[in-house]
Amino acid sequence: AQSVTQLGSHVSVSEGALVLLRCNYSSSVPPYLFWYVQYPNQGLQLLLKYTTGATLVKGINGFEAEFKKSETSFHLTKPSAHMSDAAEYFCAVRGSSNTGKLIFGQGTTLQVKP
Amino acid sequence: KAGVTQTPRYLIKTRGQQVTLSCSPISGHRSVSWYQQTPGQGLQFLFEYFSETQRNKGNFPGRFSGRQFSNSRSEMNVSTLELGDSALYLCASSLVGSSGNTIYFGEGSWLTVV
Repeated sequence: AQSVTQLGSHVSVSEGALVLLRCNYSSSVPPYLFWYVQYPNQGLQLLLKYTTGATLVKGINGFEAEFKKSETSFHLTKPSAHMSDAAEYFCAVRGSSNTGKLIFGQGTTLQVKP
Repeated sequence: KAGVTQTPRYLIKTRGQQVTLSCSPISGHRSVSWYQQTPGQGLQFLFEYFSETQRNKGNFPGRFSGRQFSNSRSEMNVSTLELGDSALYLCASSLVGSSGNTIYFGEGSWLTVV
């Protein structure tokens, strides 16, 4: 069975600092991996996704993530945090292309301090 | 094009009542999934519909049900509401059948059970 673990339920960084949100997955099949962001009282917005091919994936708002099969990780990074990045971030795995089912991690709340 | 549309956005129900939530997927998307989000349990998959058939189901009691219409619009129903059903219910839609399909989420329906 697939599963996702996000290390750290809360991460706090200063504005301009590196953002690193950690995600490890477990999957018995080649995974399709996603990062979503949720702003207060809103739905989920896709930041980026990994399917096949290049292991470094670039997303919106300056975020990127690297798929490391050997470490079963898909950590999300951004070189310089902005106040507007404060939100909750979810890592998710989908087992195959023929399903709309996502398995989510518990989420990481990112706080950005001025 | 229009995104995933959920109605109503907010509603308050009394224990024992039932509720129906509606979801209109992105045009052309035939897969619709539903998720429940609560502070304690996070994001949990309820069920997925594709071409009017339920093809994935999460671990929820039978009080939770859904259906999909021929135009891909979907509804979910919760009967005999309990206080613990208070949550954000998210609908998501996607194309299926090819790799890397993005799953798009609506803004959600906030259900409060009193």
